[in-house]
Amino acid sequence: DVKVTQSSRYLVKRTGEKVFLECVQDMDHENMFWYRQDPGLGLRLIYFSYDVKMKEKGDIPEGYSVSREKKERFSLILESASTNQTSMYLCASSQRGEQFFGPGTRLTVL
Amino acid sequence: AQSVSQHNHHVILSEAASLELGCNYSYGGTVNLFWYVQYPGQHLQLLLKYFSGDPLVKGIKGFEAEFIKSKFSFNLRKPSVQWSDTAEYFCAVNARDTDKLIFGTGTRLQVFP
Repeated sequence: DVKVTQSSRYLVKRTGEKVFLECVQDMDHENMFWYRQDPGLGLRLIYFSYDVKMKEKGDIPEGYSVSREKKERFSLILESASTNQTSMYLCASSQRGEQFFGPGTRLTVL
Repeated sequence: AQSVSQHNHHVILSEAASLELGCNYSYGGTVNLFWYVQYPGQHLQLLLKYFSGDPLVKGIKGFEAEFIKSKFSFNLRKPSVQWSDTAEYFCAVNARDTDKLIFGTGTRLQVFP
């Protein structure tokens, strides 16, 4: 079974803090994705990566950056957290079309 | 630009009722289609997918979906829902040459005993 793990299920941070969300997959997938999930808005793509050290902006990249130093690990960085970044963050990996999701990190920014 | 529309935002049913959730997409090329489900407190998981072949696709837990190319639709169905089907359902599409998914806004299904 494909396993996608995320470093935290719940996280509380203060406005202005730098926040790191980590995601690791164990199936040697080339493609990895970060989404945020908000009620009524579905999943919106923040960033994705098709290869190590490669990244592409998704639909809502503002206020975020990513890092992919190793194939299995894809990190989402909030450079200076703001209250409007309070959300559920989902990581996924994929190969040949189907995406597999991690459990999500519910981030609250106070 | 690609987009996915889910017409039902919140559906409430009694157990044993039939279910149909609508999904329409806009994209001119060849696509892959997916339905994902998120049970309360759980991660998003694949319910079923269509890549090619028979347009009637069967998934887990008795769900099925039919791809109608002329209508750009991929509606999800289940003949008799159970309380355990209470969840949020997401339709998604990607172009054949990419793994990047476009999601609909989701449909929240509540099933009462």
